[in-house]
Amino acid sequence: QVQLVESGGGLVKPGGSLRLSCAASGFTFSDYYMGWIRQAPGKGLQWVSFITNTETTYYAESLKGRVTISRDNSKNSLFLQMNSLRAEDTAMYYCARTMNYYDSGTYLNYFDFWGQGTLVTVSS
Amino acid sequence: QSVLTQPPSVSGTPGQRVTISCSGGNSNIGNNALNWYQQLPGTAPILLIFGTNQRPSGVPDRFSGSKSGTSASLAISGLQSEDEADYYCATWDDILDGPVFGGGTKLTVL
Repeated sequence: QVQLVESGGGLVKPGGSLRLSCAASGFTFSDYYMGWIRQAPGKGLQWVSFITNTETTYYAESLKGRVTISRDNSKNSLFLQMNSLRAEDTAMYYCARTMNYYDSGTYLNYFDFWGQGTLVTVSS
Repeated sequence: QSVLTQPPSVSGTPGQRVTISCSGGNSNIGNNALNWYQQLPGTAPILLIFGTNQRPSGVPDRFSGSKSGTSASLAISGLQSEDEADYYCATWDDILDGPVFGGGTKLTVL
C-alpha cells in the first residue's frame, strides 16, 4: 500500500532554514510527480510545490525563491528546502503523490495519497 | 483569500442529502477537472473525488461531484455522523500555473 512519511519539521527562528523529507513506499516512486501542500493552524490547504518525474519543478508564486523541492529516486525520497522562514510559514506540511494527465481533453491534476504531515513552527 | 470560493459551513441531519458548492473562474474550474478532499478532524486530507465526478477505490457512492461552467458541487447523500469533516475543492489554475484550493467547508452532522 502507498505510504508517505514526512519528517524534518520542528521549531525554527524567523530567518532560519529547514529541510523537510518524505519517505515513500508501496509504489514506483520514480514514475510519479510528487508535491507539498501546507495548512496553517486552523486554516485551509495551500499548495506549495510539486516536482515531475523528470524533475521539472513548480512553485506557488508566494513561495518562489524561498523554497526548493527536490527528489532522490534512488532513496524513494522527496525533499523541501525552506529558507528565510517567517512566522506565516508556520503550518503542517504534507507530502502527497501527484497525479497529472489529460483525460478526454480535460486536464487532471490531483493529490491521490497524502502523508500524515510534519509540523513547522516559526517563532522566536 | 482563496481562488475558489466555498461556503464556510453546511449542516444536515443523518440520512439527509447535502451539497457543498465551489465557485471559481474560467482559468480554473471553467477549464479543468475538479477534485474534492475530505479532512476528518485531526487527520490528513484524503482524496474524495477526482476528475470532477470520479471516486477513488473505497469511497462510497454516497459522494458525488458535478460541475457546470465555473461552478462545481459535492453532494453527499444518506448523511452519516462519520461524514462530519472539512471538505476542500481544488483544481488547476491556468493563469497561476498550479493547483488552487477552496477555503474549505465544515460539514456538521446534527
